[in-house]
Amino acid sequence: DAGITQSPRHKVTETGTPVTLRCHQTENHRYMYWYRQDPGHGLRLIHYSYGVKDTDKGEVSDGYSVSRSKTEDFLLTLESATSSQTSVYFCAITGDRGEAFFGQGTRLTVV
Amino acid sequence: ILNVEQSPQSLHVQEGDSTNFTCSFPSSNFYALHWYRWETAKSPEALFVMTLNGDEKKKGRISATLNTKEGYSYLYIKGSQPEDSATYLCAFETGFNFGNEKLTFGTGTRLTIIP
Repeated sequence: DAGITQSPRHKVTETGTPVTLRCHQTENHRYMYWYRQDPGHGLRLIHYSYGVKDTDKGEVSDGYSVSRSKTEDFLLTLESATSSQTSVYFCAITGDRGEAFFGQGTRLTVV
Repeated sequence: ILNVEQSPQSLHVQEGDSTNFTCSFPSSNFYALHWYRWETAKSPEALFVMTLNGDEKKKGRISATLNTKEGYSYLYIKGSQPEDSATYLCAFETGFNFGNEKLTFGTGTRLTIIP
């Protein structure tokens, strides 16, 4: 257990509403990541953070923003949710050997 | 966008048989190649992280090899068991932006073991 908690685990929201997903870690790791998982695409990187207030875009960042005001929390925000953002979202950190440790996932449905 | 390809997409194997599958990745700007095991309704779990050409890693009945010059890695499972049923992901880590550790994942090989 790498001490990663995602919340909420499930959410249904309406198109056009803002949504924030939270990733919390207890291991004081520097790097944190948000991925989305869709059939046929595997895991795709949305945004990542390499320190407090240090973030950068990943492969599929359009429509998403992130914030990291303290080491343990990495927030992913959908400013105005669209149906194409229906997905399973995974948060991850990087372990000591460089391997990724993943949270339990958040299933988001935009209706 | 980096191209990481896995084959086959899916595989059905009889219990007790051995199997292997492939991950292809760019041969330039290589830093590491990761393998993950992803069971349904769970999160991916790391199997191996390999960094050196010719590297071989083993964990129980599962092993992996790495060829960075030609850009491929093989994952082997010996004597498949039902609990091996999962999706196996590989991920390429580039050294291009050293210090910004990012992984590019393949789409996975879904392995089903037939009892």
